[in-house]
Amino acid sequence: GAGVSQTPSNKVTEKGKYVELRCDPISGHTALYWYRQSLGQGPEFLIYFQGTGAADDSGLPNDRFFAVRPEGSVSTLKIQRTERGDSAVYLCASSLWAGADTGELFFGEGSRLTVL
Amino acid sequence: QKEVEQDPGPLSVPEGAIVSLNCTYSNSAFQYFMWYRQYSRKGPELLMYTYSSGNKEDGRFTAQVDKSSKYISLFIRDSQPSDSATYLCAMSARPGANNLFFGTGTRLTVIP
Repeated sequence: GAGVSQTPSNKVTEKGKYVELRCDPISGHTALYWYRQSLGQGPEFLIYFQGTGAADDSGLPNDRFFAVRPEGSVSTLKIQRTERGDSAVYLCASSLWAGADTGELFFGEGSRLTVL
Repeated sequence: QKEVEQDPGPLSVPEGAIVSLNCTYSNSAFQYFMWYRQYSRKGPELLMYTYSSGNKEDGRFTAQVDKSSKYISLFIRDSQPSDSATYLCAMSARPGANNLFFGTGTRLTVIP
């Protein structure tokens, strides 16, 4: 596809369950980012990948959150033992490479997670 | 104190008005400044990017940066109903896009 694709667009789960959110970046983009946007807030950085490796995971809130990008393209954000406070829109973005001058991130439409 | 402060609004203006959106920041390491526009239930999209103090113009949009005051602005001239969206400022200490710090966003409505 032409843009960043995220699935599912909506996910409702119960507290304590495991959730996976998938991101398919723009073809050829080596840098991939996960951000979390809570209601009424701006996006907050979680993790970024340069290729297959997590270059910066300083934004992951705790060890219940984990992300992988095994082949340097699609990425999966994994959340274990979900809590109500995890409810938010999880945004994925990609860019040509992390040091690109324009600083332009291309965002997907997000996966809206609701934890009951 | 949050590193980036932005008035969440909401802000309503009549069509054709000049809109002024602002952010302040506390981290003097921030050198790169961006404005993103986010329509409802969509991801943010980049509007403007600048790394120097002063003004940068692109069509109806002007981005202004004052590093000495740690204050940035986005001006929209001749506002249109299609400009109705949430505007997010974002900034970073390094070039490129890793680990941007976003404001909370200002929700703008342009009334026809």
